Amino acid sequence: KQEVTQIPAALSVPEGENLVLNCSFTDSAIYNLQWFRQDPGKGLTSLLLIQSSQREQTSGRLNASLDKSSGRSTLYIAASQPGDSATYLCAVLSNFNKFYFGSGTKLNVKP
Amino acid sequence: EAGVAQSPRYKIIEKRQSVAFWCNPISGHATLYWYQQILGQGPKLLIQFQNNGVVDDSQLPKDRFSAERLKGVDSTLKIQPAKLEDSAVYLCASSLRWQTQYFGPGTRLLVL
Repeated sequence: KQEVTQIPAALSVPEGENLVLNCSFTDSAIYNLQWFRQDPGKGLTSLLLIQSSQREQTSGRLNASLDKSSGRSTLYIAASQPGDSATYLCAVLSNFNKFYFGSGTKLNVKP
Repeated sequence: EAGVAQSPRYKIIEKRQSVAFWCNPISGHATLYWYQQILGQGPKLLIQFQNNGVVDDSQLPKDRFSAERLKGVDSTLKIQPAKLEDSAVYLCASSLRWQTQYFGPGTRLLVL
């Protein structure tokens, strides 16, 4: 069974710092990997989707990479802002069309 | 483009009562998902529909949970009877097949 792990569970950084969030998965047979943002009391907002054949995706200050063979993905946030404070979740879609989520990294960017 | 709609946003019930949640996906999205998210955890897939057929319900507690998607559009998720451990946020999402999932705001359920 696929297991998705996100480390660290929580992270606090000063404004302006560049940071990396990590996601690892145990089964490399995935179709795609998606990064989400979740604000308190809200649903999930999709940030980036990486197909299994891709190595990375970029959107603004966000860059997500995927190393399928090692079962790892990273989300890089450049020049962090207080508005980036939220919980970040990664999810993998297995080749059996099943979704598996990590438990998230709670990010706090201090002004 | 309208997003995924869910109602109610909040619900408080006593254990052994029944409750139902409603979801309206983004127009044209054939795939619909129901997730359960317990505080501090990632969402857990309960059931996935492709049009009005069930693709995956392997983690749905079928003795108390049921879901349907009539006419391949709206969906309802029901819990009967509810237990204390059902307290969670119930998220609905939709997508074009195997593509980006779009989530609704969720229904926060508290079972007393």
